Amino acid sequence: GESVGLHLPTLSVQEGDNSIINCAYSNSASDYFIWYKQESGKGPQFIIDIRSNMDKRQGQRVTVLLNKTVKHLSLQIAATQPGDSAVYFCAEKRIGTGGFKTIFGAGTRLFVKA
Amino acid sequence: NAGVTQTPKFQVLKTGQSMTLQCAQDMNHNSMYWYRQDPGMGLRLIYYSASEGTTDKGEVPNGYNVSRLNKREFSLRLESAAPSQTSVYFCASSEAGDHFGYTFGSGTRLTVV
Repeated sequence: GESVGLHLPTLSVQEGDNSIINCAYSNSASDYFIWYKQESGKGPQFIIDIRSNMDKRQGQRVTVLLNKTVKHLSLQIAATQPGDSAVYFCAEKRIGTGGFKTIFGAGTRLFVKA
Repeated sequence: NAGVTQTPKFQVLKTGQSMTLQCAQDMNHNSMYWYRQDPGMGLRLIYYSASEGTTDKGEVPNGYNVSRLNKREFSLRLESAAPSQTSVYFCASSEAGDHFGYTFGSGTRLTVV
């Protein structure tokens, strides 16, 4: 079936190290992918997005990589900081009967050790 | 600039009671969404409204109704609450189209006893 999923439910990294969060998707028709960050007690927050005609996009300390051949998406966080501790969701935007809607993966919890 | 505002933040209901969750956005976005978030299951789409005057079912619409009151407001109603509807509910909005991310509210934590 169609799904957006994550390889690992939790990830623990040392402060200052780089983090890599992975995501697999199965709907090859989607052409827009997004990463969200959710801190405890808050709603998800948009981090970075990428279109399917790209394989890499960089933001401030974050990079998203898209490999359409193996339907894989990753989020790289450089020099991870305690404030990066959160749950990270990958998501894909699809067309539905009434318009576009976003399907989320289950999330990966990132722990940053001081 | 408030973004997306949800009320209430917390609510406890008895089984069979009804209530409406309110959502308003001040970004002039065309599209609005209601999601529920349960542990280990990510966010699941309940209903969405691509534009004012339209609503459509998402993945888990049973037990819910929605109203797109105007461009700013999109409410979610539980007519007869059940314990299975205990969850955290998020409203979101976005520009219409396929290449826009969402702005989320801070959520409503609902417990049905």
